Amino acid sequence: NAGVTQTPKFQVLKTGQSMTLQCAQDMNHNSMYWYRQDPGMGLRLIYYSASEGTTDKGEVPNGYNVSRLNKREFSLRLESAAPSQTSVYFCASSPDRRPYNEQFFGPGTRLTVL
Amino acid sequence: AQKITQTQPGMFVQEKEAVTLDCTYDTSDPSYGLFWYKQPSSGEMIFLIYQGSYDQQNATEGRYSLNFQKARKSANLVISASQLGDSAMYFCAMREVNNFNKFYFGSGTKLNVKP
Repeated sequence: NAGVTQTPKFQVLKTGQSMTLQCAQDMNHNSMYWYRQDPGMGLRLIYYSASEGTTDKGEVPNGYNVSRLNKREFSLRLESAAPSQTSVYFCASSPDRRPYNEQFFGPGTRLTVL
Repeated sequence: AQKITQTQPGMFVQEKEAVTLDCTYDTSDPSYGLFWYKQPSSGEMIFLIYQGSYDQQNATEGRYSLNFQKARKSANLVISASQLGDSAMYFCAMREVNNFNKFYFGSGTKLNVKP
């Protein structure tokens, strides 16, 4: 079991460039999430997906799009990167709706936008 | 209103002593779960402990225990016998059963364990 995997681990972009962050989980979880973490701060939810084919906005969705390709994969796209999107991005998954199921996190992607 | 509040941006503790990290939460949902995560300097998020709103006993996992005071809406993490490896950021989080797709995270507490 690899758990939650994310690619790439590091990325440097120029302002205006686009890229897609990939996330996959092999735990058969229904729910998947994308967060960003800025230096010295907590996690802020960008988008989440309760099941295959559904996505919903979180706290900070502007400038991002997501795709829940199948049950395993949930990608995050930056169409036109901005320096304000410099952050560490975490993907997470969770089994189901019961409140005692914790989230399992990927290792993160450190993104710098110049 | 903030769903999760961690009022201690940073704390120091002497090795082998116990330390309490504070967390208060805000919800009107009768059923919810509270979580603590550890984030070492390497960056990964490590799940530590869970407390359900209907649990009668405080949760414990090894050296970690959760001091759950439902009426006060607090869920403080207690680390006993601190070790140098406990130096990390600690995040409190909550999930509500009626809004189960969202986890709410606090801003974190940076714990430094002194030798």
